[in-house]
Amino acid sequence: ETGVTQTPRHLVMGMTNKKSLKCEQHLGHNAMYWYKQSAKKPLELMFVYNFKEQTENNSVPSRFSPECPNSSHLFLHLHTLQPEDSALYLCASSQDPEGNSGNTIYFGEGSWLTVV
Amino acid sequence: GQNIDQPTEMTATEGAIVQINCTYQTSGFNGLFWYQQHAGEAPTFLSYNVLDGLEEKGRFSSFLSRSKGYSYLLLKELQMKDSASYLCAVKDSNYQLIWGAGTKLIIKP
Repeated sequence: ETGVTQTPRHLVMGMTNKKSLKCEQHLGHNAMYWYKQSAKKPLELMFVYNFKEQTENNSVPSRFSPECPNSSHLFLHLHTLQPEDSALYLCASSQDPEGNSGNTIYFGEGSWLTVV
Repeated sequence: GQNIDQPTEMTATEGAIVQINCTYQTSGFNGLFWYQQHAGEAPTFLSYNVLDGLEEKGRFSSFLSRSKGYSYLLLKELQMKDSASYLCAVKDSNYQLIWGAGTKLIIKP
């Protein structure tokens, strides 16, 4: 148990569906992240939120839409995805995203997404 | 560009020692992290190095040489539960984490 909870753990969706991934952290952190993890590839940072404000959007296609209503919750809304979007989506949190070099990131167990 | 290199896969024997290497080329350096990730689970923090030298934590140790852009994770007295992927990541000058693709470690009895 890392203090970061993601739901659902597994999701299969068609290319025309709309679905959402949910993340909640119980660590009192101020920064939250969405990462994409594909087989044998480095983790890809998608979005960063700091105190509910989005500070990073790494050229992510608009079919992925993040939402951060408060410092403890983060959503990733999915719409008209492509089969190549199938991957493990990891949520993470940290005390703050920068400044403290040793700032450790804590990950959730991820949501396995399959687009058919 | 920024790059982190680590072997894709390694195999070792239970009870033995294994060293997983990581080399990096990044714009600036603000620390290097090692994470462990068991299949289907969250990556979990193992170690953090910001100064040159060896950091020891139980059976696991991590070494850093900033001048060589090099780190290794040393695992001693290997156990079957150590079978996992090990991720190396570096914080660059903008405090962005740059990740390697991970090393899958297979432990055989």
